[in-house]
Amino acid sequence: KNEVEQSPQNLTAQEGEFITINCSYSVGISALHWLQQHPGGGIVSLFMLSSGKKKHGRLIATINIQEKHSSLHITASHPRDSAVYICAVRPPSRNYGGSQGNLIFGKGTKLSVKP
Amino acid sequence: GAGVSQSPSNKVTEKGKDVELRCDPISGHTALYWYRQSLGQGLEFLIYFQGNSAPDKSGLPSDRFSAERTGGSVSTLTIQRTQQEDSAVYLCASSSMLSGLQYFGPGTRLTVL
Repeated sequence: KNEVEQSPQNLTAQEGEFITINCSYSVGISALHWLQQHPGGGIVSLFMLSSGKKKHGRLIATINIQEKHSSLHITASHPRDSAVYICAVRPPSRNYGGSQGNLIFGKGTKLSVKP
Repeated sequence: GAGVSQSPSNKVTEKGKDVELRCDPISGHTALYWYRQSLGQGLEFLIYFQGNSAPDKSGLPSDRFSAERTGGSVSTLTIQRTQQEDSAVYLCASSSMLSGLQYFGPGTRLTVL
């Protein structure tokens, strides 16, 4: 079983729809990241969170530490949101100066938003 | 530059040759990460640097892979005696101590013939 599971694997939506992508993990974490990988391959970090909720524009990320679950929401989706969305968790930090460490990645959710 | 840069953007090599991939992190970022993404696969952690030291090398797949970082800035990932299964996109990311948010470079696409 993968340590980070995402659902759905693929998602097709109509422009304007509200989208939710889910991430569940089975390990202890110090933080969770949401990344966006464009069709050309470039990766953009969307959020890093360890509790609660963060919002940036039309994107909202939430995390429930007790349930080991995070969601990424996209409101008023647009074709330019089409990309692969990747959830990644960072194990509890060792003594690296506090906040760093490797990431464990989910397999990604491929989102396609149709006009 | 403002972002993470990597060179070359594409590298085609013959099986058995050595390759060097370079990463220039964002200025001032103390943490640097190497990842790879094989065709159709997810991202895979390779190695992490804090300054010039590598406290976590757990992701390096074999002793043919090595990496160094000098001056707390540029990093080089070296693959010796390349094999076809090394073909992948190699991604570098950097982050500051304060935020922890990782900024990714555009990657180097390595093809081993």
